[in-house]
Amino acid sequence: DTAVSQTPKYLVTQMGNDKSIKCEQNLGHDTMYWYKQDSKKFLKIMFSYNNKELIINETVPNRFSPKSPDKAHLNLHINSLELGDSAVYFCASSPGTHRAGELFFGEGSRLTVL
Amino acid sequence: KQEVTQIPAALSVPEGENLVLNCSFTDSAIYNLQWFRQDPGKGLTSLLLIQSSQREQTSGRLNASLDKSSGRSTLYIAASQPGDSATYLCAVKGYTGANSKLTFGKGITLSVRP
Repeated sequence: DTAVSQTPKYLVTQMGNDKSIKCEQNLGHDTMYWYKQDSKKFLKIMFSYNNKELIINETVPNRFSPKSPDKAHLNLHINSLELGDSAVYFCASSPGTHRAGELFFGEGSRLTVL
Repeated sequence: KQEVTQIPAALSVPEGENLVLNCSFTDSAIYNLQWFRQDPGKGLTSLLLIQSSQREQTSGRLNASLDKSSGRSTLYIAASQPGDSATYLCAVKGYTGANSKLTFGKGITLSVRP
């Protein structure tokens, strides 16, 4: 009964490929997020959705496109992968608006671009 | 723009010691502050959430305090155990605009020696 689940957990791919990471939460939360953790372990927000609506869109290349088919899912699609995209991507969710509540994180998806 | 600092980056202590982890932030207009634990290769686990109107929160051997006016929070761990070894991250959430997202510090990697 995992609360926030991401797939795949590991992803190894070549430069230039397109890949997707899926996230689902069964907590009934309204808000979902994507965070990127780089090699120096620094966590930085990429996107936030509230009830399928984009709330936060940090300065992220257009190659990254989030999609929220419903409020329990937030997927991340990455086009034309580059070496610098290698990182661990974390999905998270929180109750209420993006200003309220506690964040619950998934286990992360480690992306390696060769 | 909110900035969160955690110093030192790493800490090693003998088992049984009481310890304090520090977190400082530049913009005192925060909505809440959250402490997380991250084990190697794992996601983040929420430890304590302090709303802006609160001064501290306690959970078991953990106590987190918040002093908004000075832009500081501390996480106190009593009677440390080897199982406490992990990276501890502090994150603050602002009210509006660019600061409404959760901004993370870089974390403190704690090692508790048996």
